[in-house]
Amino acid sequence: NAGVMQNPRHLVRRRGQEARLRCSPMKGHSHVYWYRQLPEEGLKFMVYLQKENIIDESGMPKERFSAEFPKEGPSILRIQQVVRGDSAAYFCASSPPTGRAGEAFFGQGTRLTVV
Amino acid sequence: QKEVEQNSGPLSVPEGAIASLNCTYSDRGSQSFFWYRQYSGKSPELIMSIYSNGDKEDGRFTAQLNKASQYVSLLIRDSQPSDSATYLCAVIILYGNNRLAFGKGNQVVVIP
Repeated sequence: NAGVMQNPRHLVRRRGQEARLRCSPMKGHSHVYWYRQLPEEGLKFMVYLQKENIIDESGMPKERFSAEFPKEGPSILRIQQVVRGDSAAYFCASSPPTGRAGEAFFGQGTRLTVV
Repeated sequence: QKEVEQNSGPLSVPEGAIASLNCTYSDRGSQSFFWYRQYSGKSPELIMSIYSNGDKEDGRFTAQLNKASQYVSLLIRDSQPSDSATYLCAVIILYGNNRLAFGKGNQVVVIP
């Protein structure tokens, strides 16, 4: 049973480019979370999705950031026109349906560096 | 008020001692609570979940929940150098569409 798969593990983008981060949840998991973590800081919630549905995007910046979790395929976190302040580790977590939704399993993260 | 708060600074404990971590939360309706461990440069991993008031033990780890006081704690008995990590408290926030919210974490350093 494969765990949560994130790719790429490392991503370097120049200012103004687009970054696409992918997350494939664990088998049987229907909930996906995206978090951002800066060095020496905690996990900052960004967005919570179910298949084809955004449940909570209160942590997403209003501009340049978007997320989706289509019926088929991985969840995508998209950052347009990246700036240096977007450099961080982005973690995806998946969890089963309600009941034990907090028992989330994390992927290895994507380290985004904007140069 | 932060949804999940972990206020203590880095915690240094000698090997074999007990490490004690505390966490408070703001959503009085929350029912599900978790502790995650994160090694430097790695992703968080779930180590404990607790849903009812009282203590829950799993090996050297004990989670304690007091819903009336809105706090959760984690005890690590017989601390080992391999326990050196950052420990993150997490809570399901009911008013937040049942999303999982994290505290900023507490770093634990076990000194051999």
